[in-house]
Amino acid sequence: TQLLEQSPQFLSIQEGENLTVYCNSSSVFSSLQWYRQEPGEGPVLLVTVVTGGEVKKLKRLTFQFGDARKDSSLHITAAQPGDTGLYLCAETGANSKLTFGKGITLSVRP
Amino acid sequence: GAGVSQSPRYKVAKRGQDVALRCDPISGHVSLFWYQQALGQGPEFLTYFQNEAQLDKSGLPSDRFFAERPEGSVSTLKIQRTQQEDSAVYLCASSNSGTGVQPQHFGDGTRLSIL
Repeated sequence: TQLLEQSPQFLSIQEGENLTVYCNSSSVFSSLQWYRQEPGEGPVLLVTVVTGGEVKKLKRLTFQFGDARKDSSLHITAAQPGDTGLYLCAETGANSKLTFGKGITLSVRP
Repeated sequence: GAGVSQSPRYKVAKRGQDVALRCDPISGHVSLFWYQQALGQGPEFLTYFQNEAQLDKSGLPSDRFFAERPEGSVSTLKIQRTQQEDSAVYLCASSNSGTGVQPQHFGDGTRLSIL
């Protein structure tokens, strides 16, 4: 079973700041997904990256997949309090089951 | 509704009791997944159905856990003789394909607390 490591585990920043968080593995990802989960809710898919070196943008969020497909980063520009939540990366394995990292808890203070 | 629906949203049970958690997937979705999420952790895979067939139950932690989807739609996750370590949020997800990378749509989960 592939181990996904996410860092940092916790992050508390002021509104308007930029931040970058990471997801790493010792093995090559077939594809990688990023989710955001708010308290009391299920995870919501943000993006899927498949190709090494791929960059995808979703408004103020920029997702990058490493060239070797063993790591990924999420950069948020000008963070807003609405960005607060648990950010999870996940890989799709056999039978489409997802293997998640432990997540990054982000708090954006007004 | 349009999304995955789970019930109950909260369940409190005494150690040793049996519990049943329900998942209503998005209509027409072939695949259904159950995950367990402990406090402060990411979700962990429990089991997977394609229609009514349970194709993967490798994540079920013990034989006290049982899942079914008899008509290929609604699914029930049953936990017998609950233990305190079963306390967690149980998430259900569905997708409209049994193969390939198709997005999974998650419900809001059932928070189970074992006293």
